[in-house]
Amino acid sequence: DAMVIQNPRYQVTQFGKPVTLSCSQTLNHNVMYWYQQKSSQAPKLLFHYYDKDFNNEADTPDNFQSRRPNTSFCFLDIRSPGLGDAAMYLCATSYKRREQETQYFGPGTRLLVL
Amino acid sequence: AQSVTQPDIHITVSEGASLELRCNYSYGATPYLFWYVQSPGQGLQLLLKYFSGDTLVQGIKGFEAEFKRSQSSFNLRKPSVHWSDAAEYFCAADRGSTLGRLYFGRGTQLTVWP
Repeated sequence: DAMVIQNPRYQVTQFGKPVTLSCSQTLNHNVMYWYQQKSSQAPKLLFHYYDKDFNNEADTPDNFQSRRPNTSFCFLDIRSPGLGDAAMYLCATSYKRREQETQYFGPGTRLLVL
Repeated sequence: AQSVTQPDIHITVSEGASLELRCNYSYGATPYLFWYVQSPGQGLQLLLKYFSGDTLVQGIKGFEAEFKRSQSSFNLRKPSVHWSDAAEYFCAADRGSTLGRLYFGRGTQLTVWP
């Protein structure tokens, strides 16, 4: 089945130690998104790729970076994680077709910062 | 400010009872509207979406939603709730711009009593 896959599902890192989260998709979608979701809150968009074009949200901290080496994969890099970065990180994909699009989400990666 | 509002933080219903989760939006034009469900520790699963046309939308798992332009609402309904429906439900809106940004409500937590 076509899907959005996130690895790992759970990630523990140390304060200040760089960490990379992975997202892959078999849907051949041209847009990939990264969201941060803290406990009991709505998902918050960090950035997205439209094909190879990177679009950063204005309030996304510089500590968060992303890479998309090809259509199928997208990575979220947190250069120096702080305790406040502990959250669920959700990857989503969509196929941009005119203005109507539907985002499909992966299962998420739960990040714990010690 | 443009936003999506879910007035109910937490709803409790008995199994077999009917359910309605409220969602209101405040945008100048009608946005594209979505309902997602999130089980604990999981990603977001799309229940249904509204782009245009018939204002009563059928989704998966027996859910439906009705778009009411006059009330700026997109309420989610289910005639008979099952224990497995216990989860968090998010309403989201896309203004239909080329940016493809989803604006989420803060979510409604559904508890189902046996």
